[in-house]
Order: sequence, then C-alpha cells, then structure tokens
Amino acid sequence: QKEVEQDPGPLSVPEGAIVSLNCTYSNSAFQYFMWYRQYSRKGPELLMYTYSSGNKEDGRFTAQVDKSSKYISLFIRDSQPSDSATYLCALAPPTGGSYIPTFGRGTSLIVHP
Amino acid sequence: ETGVTQTPRHLVMGMTNKKSLKCEQHLGHNAMYWYKQSAKKPLELMFVYSLEERVENNSVPSRFSPECPNSSHLFLHLHTLQPEDSALYLCASSRGTSGGRNEQFFGPGTRLTVL
Repeated sequence: QKEVEQDPGPLSVPEGAIVSLNCTYSNSAFQYFMWYRQYSRKGPELLMYTYSSGNKEDGRFTAQVDKSSKYISLFIRDSQPSDSATYLCALAPPTGGSYIPTFGRGTSLIVHP
Repeated sequence: ETGVTQTPRHLVMGMTNKKSLKCEQHLGHNAMYWYKQSAKKPLELMFVYSLEERVENNSVPSRFSPECPNSSHLFLHLHTLQPEDSALYLCASSRGTSGGRNEQFFGPGTRLTVL
C-alpha cells in the first residue's frame, strides 16, 4: 500500500461547482497536511496548510483533515476556470523527525466555463 | 528575483552530453531539494541538502550528481542520461528539514528531454 493515495483524475466540473479533492494515507504519524496547486508548466505552490485534525478555511478553499479515517480533503467553492490545475496533497511527520513531506501524485482539475 | 528560480527552463540533450541544472533560492532558507516529476506519478525526492550537507539521497543513479556550494544555490549535474530520465526537475527550498511548520517552496522546474 502506498503511503499517500490520490486519484489522478482528471476531474471535470462546470464553473460554479463545488469541488472535492481527496487523499488517503496509511501512516498515522503524519501531523502536517498541505495542499499544493500546480499550473501547467509551473512548479507547485502552497495553497493550504493544516496541522493535526479539523478544518481550515481561506476564501473559497477549505481544507479538512480526518485523522481517525486517515483522510484529507480540499473543497473549492464557486470554482472558476482559473482553478484548473493539478492539486497535490503533501503530508509530513511531527516535530523531532525528518520533516520531508510525502506527496500524492496529484489530481488534475478542469473547470469549464 | 524572488522565491526560487531555476535555469534553464527547458533542456534537450543527447545521451552522451553533460549538462547542469541550476537552482537559486532568495528566501533565506537552509534546506534545498531536487525532485523529479514524471507524468501521473508522485513527486520523486532525489536529494536533500541541509546547511550545504547532503542529508538524503534516494537511491538516485550516479548519472545524477548534486552540488550545493552554499545555502542559496543548488546544482544538478547530468551525464550519460537515458530517455527515461526525461521529466520535469523541480527544485525546492524550506527553512530546514525538521521541526515545526516547514513547508517547501518550489521553483518553476526544468523540462528535460533526453534524446
């Protein structure tokens, strides 16, 4: 079993839809959860960062962590064509260990007008 | 320049060539990373440097040779590559490699094609 599982998609939605992107993981030691957005021909950029369980909201984006289920989600409300990109989840262990995150393989999102 | 920069952005090379990729970070970070990104695969961590010391080398073939002369610069020297090495090579930096919030900041990548 891979440490981080992420459906590569593509996920195609109409403009204005609510998008749900997800990752599952197997290592219960992960405590830091990140979402990166990568546009075509660009490097990934950090979009959301959460520590431990719970929700975090930033504008149209909400990150959710369910540690009991080892499941993390990124919700995008009122999706726009400019949200079309690949979204990568990244997970990292807590303080004291080697921080280097483990990445999912990314989900390609297409928002069509 | 801000953030993490990489040059060249595109590189085409033959299997017998020698070339180098360059990365520079302007964030005052102490750790730098090389990743390989191939289509539909997770980011593959290649090398990690912390305070100019290599701290991780993920069984990368010797045809890839990293160099970190200081905490702001990172190179990846390439020689006798194979066509399967064609990919996007990403450089990243972070404050360190352990302890607390420590997210990575990525450069735009070098698109490498090996003929």
